[in-house]
Parts: sequence; structure tokens; C-alpha cells
Amino acid sequence: DIQMTQSPSSVSASVGDRVTITCRASQGISSWLAWYQQKPGKAPKLLIYGASSLQSGVPSRFSGSGSGTEFTLTIDSLQPEDFATYYCQQANTLPGTFGPGTKVDI
Amino acid sequence: QMQLQESGPGLVKPSQTLSLTCTVSGGSISSTTYYWAWVRQPPGKGLESIGNIFYSGSTYYNPSLESRLTISVDTSKNQFSLKLTSVTAADTAVYFCARVEYDFWSAHYGMDVWGQGTTVTVSS
Repeated sequence: DIQMTQSPSSVSASVGDRVTITCRASQGISSWLAWYQQKPGKAPKLLIYGASSLQSGVPSRFSGSGSGTEFTLTIDSLQPEDFATYYCQQANTLPGTFGPGTKVDI
Repeated sequence: QMQLQESGPGLVKPSQTLSLTCTVSGGSISSTTYYWAWVRQPPGKGLESIGNIFYSGSTYYNPSLESRLTISVDTSKNQFSLKLTSVTAADTAVYFCARVEYDFWSAHYGMDVWGQGTTVTVSS
């Protein structure tokens, strides 16, 4: 099984900050990585697929990079609506495995 | 616009079978562009991928659940379903169904449409 880790597990930030979240896979997954945002009581929302492709309708302050085993999600100029939990998911081996999540709070 | 809606019992007794259905509206479940997925989230915890199914019926199961799990599709009803046998309290979670946009050649895999989720509690 492919295991996913994320760091940090939580981060405190302010509006306007740049936030970077790292996701690591236990083995190479090429670019088979997606990022999701989840707010309390809501379904997750797809932000990034293919490690770096921005999902339609997602603001351009979100970006993804990486391949192989190490990936990053960057949020430039954090907005109030960005405070949420972020999950990575590998899709190299289906049905995919989620990382443990990173909570971004104030 | 496509919408997904989970349905099924909110309370299941231990050792019994959890059964959920996801109804797809606003589009066809038989599209070759999409997989269909079940994901769950125990209270206060992270997301767990349960399984994926293609309209043809081909499936991918989470190895930790595979022995208890069946995911099926009914194209005539535009629905796909989840059955999890021998449930315990550890199966208590919010269960989500989702559409997966998938393209092998571009490493495109993303759950882009989700149901609102349904809470299932395992308790006697």
C-alpha cells in the first residue's frame, strides 16, 4: 500500500500570508496526486489534480507542484475563506489514499 | 449540472450490513470519462477512500475493507451502491459518494463532484 504523509499537521496563519503544505508518498506516484480543501460539515472540494493542474473555478492563488514522492500545495495571499483542512490524495494505485490532512487556521 | 445524493439507513447494528446508494442526476453514470467513488470520514478524523467503480462494473477496493466490501453500479437507475458487511463501531462515519474525473494519459484523477454526505452510526 502507498502511504501518504503531510506536514505540517496544522499551521496558524494570517490573511495575506503565503502557506505551503508538503505531501510525501511512501513510493513514487509520478504526478498522480490531487489536493482537496474541506471545511467543517462539508464535502471536500477538489483544488488540484495531476499534481499541478488547477481545477476549473479554483482561484489562481492555489498552486501545486512536485512529482515522484514529494509534492507541495501553496496558497498565495491567504484569504478568510481559505481557512480549512487540506488533504492530498495519491491516485497511482486505486482507489487512492488520502494524507492525514493539514489544518490551516488563524 | 451533475448532482450526487447518498441514501440509506443512518443506524446499523453491529455485525449487520451497511448499505448505501448514490443517485446521480444531471448526467449519465455510463460516461466513459468518469469513475465513481465512495469515501468515508469517521467523526473528527480524516478521509478514507473506500472504493471506485466504473460504469462497466470494474472495481478498485481499499485492501483494508475488501473482504467485507461490495460496490456495484445500476446504469438503468443511474445509481451506484455500497455494501459493507460485519460492521463494527469503527465503521461509524460520514459516507460520501463522488464523481471521479479520470484520464490515464494525463495523470488526471480528481473527485470533482461530491454528494453532501450521509452519517452512518453503528450501534446496538
